[in-house]
Amino acid sequence: DAGITQSPRHKVTETGTPVTLRCHQTENHRYMYWYRQDPGHGLRLIHYSYGVKDTDKGEVSDGYSVSRSKTEDFLLTLESATSSQTSVYFCAISDGPGEGTEAFFGQGTRLTVV
Amino acid sequence: AQSVSQHNHHVILSEAASLELGCNYSYGGTVNLFWYVQYPGQHLQLLLKYFSGDPLVKGIKGFEAEFIKSKFSFNLRKPSVQWSDTAEYFCAVSKRGGADGLTFGKGTHLIIQP
Repeated sequence: DAGITQSPRHKVTETGTPVTLRCHQTENHRYMYWYRQDPGHGLRLIHYSYGVKDTDKGEVSDGYSVSRSKTEDFLLTLESATSSQTSVYFCAISDGPGEGTEAFFGQGTRLTVV
Repeated sequence: AQSVSQHNHHVILSEAASLELGCNYSYGGTVNLFWYVQYPGQHLQLLLKYFSGDPLVKGIKGFEAEFIKSKFSFNLRKPSVQWSDTAEYFCAVSKRGGADGLTFGKGTHLIIQP
């Protein structure tokens, strides 16, 4: 398995509180992604990064922010958690958008907002 | 933006039956195509991928997929399924040269009955 560690693996938080999820990689891949997985929706891209301090929005970025100060770490912050952000969050890494390059996924973080 | 459509959301088969899961994508440019599998409680793992060459690609665990460019399709097949194939299957596409990661279909929940 690719060296991707997500923390925490499970979290319960209250509505209105800020939450930060961490993705750490040991593969030195340039690209990192945050997805959320919800029943009936598959995986949807929240934000992605194509290098240190280089990030961009994905399909469902409202209410989320990200930061990448080091190649190995990509942080996802829920600025003020809402119940609609209850989901399973997956981090993914990739060598790039070239021919045939695949994404490797972390184990996921199950977040419950009560 | 590209999109991915998976035809079947839930499929129930008996062991030894043949499997075909449909996947169509919409994007006019060059793409990489993927099938990922998610076993219960686990992260996504790559089954197979297509980026160029022979449109019939073989993956792990006896799975194969055929890319039909004229139909924008990338259907997954397995001649004889096993109980251990029970999982969620996701078709995904990425733009060749695009940094914004994978676009996923909504997934197919496959249940294999012994």
